Amino acid sequence: DVVMTQSPLSLPVTLGQPASISCNSSQSLVYSNGYTYLCWFQQRPGQSPRRLLYKVSKRDSGVPDRFSGSGSGTAFTLKISRMEAEDVGVYYCMQGTHRPQTFGQGTKLEIK
Amino acid sequence: EVQLVESGGGLVQPGGSLRLSCTTSGITFSDRFMDWVRQAPGKGLEWIARIQSKANSYATEYSESVKGRFIVSRDDSQESLYLQMNNLKTEDTATYYCARDGDGLGENWGQGTLVTVSS
Repeated sequence: DVVMTQSPLSLPVTLGQPASISCNSSQSLVYSNGYTYLCWFQQRPGQSPRRLLYKVSKRDSGVPDRFSGSGSGTAFTLKISRMEAEDVGVYYCMQGTHRPQTFGQGTKLEIK
Repeated sequence: EVQLVESGGGLVQPGGSLRLSCTTSGITFSDRFMDWVRQAPGKGLEWIARIQSKANSYATEYSESVKGRFIVSRDDSQESLYLQMNNLKTEDTATYYCARDGDGLGENWGQGTLVTVSS
């Protein structure tokens, strides 16, 4: 299975400041059709996961533009341009290129 | 409004069975792949099963952790997804989420249903 490794696992961020989470995969996530199936999920406390980004950098409907994704191959990054209180939660990367689909272990984002 | 609502969770003894349901509304169901993802208490997310659309012959996939014990199915006429869970183990204790694919897993999620396997 493809192993997804996130860092850091805990990230305290001051409100209004940027945040960045890294995700590395044990294999390239480029699919045979040229697309890279890497997505990011947010799970707020007590809530279901919500997808923020798919295919590395495409934002889902309703996702604020302060969330952005980048990367290629095996190294990916989720960036929040300005931390807001509603961003508190756990963030997961997930690869859908290889079977089985696998998640990172999660990064807990909190207010500093 | 998009809604995915899971039901059928509860307390079951090891070796027992449960059938989870996921009813949907406000979404396009029949042409989308559907997944089950679980989350053990205080732990991360684990994908466990997928069923493709009729156009893809309802092909199914399972994680190794549930293969041979769980069966995913769907009823497009009812816009519903199911997970038959047999020979349950204590390590199957988790909140189970259904999710609809849209350019990959998880465009939409349900609120989850808790399954507790304990004697």
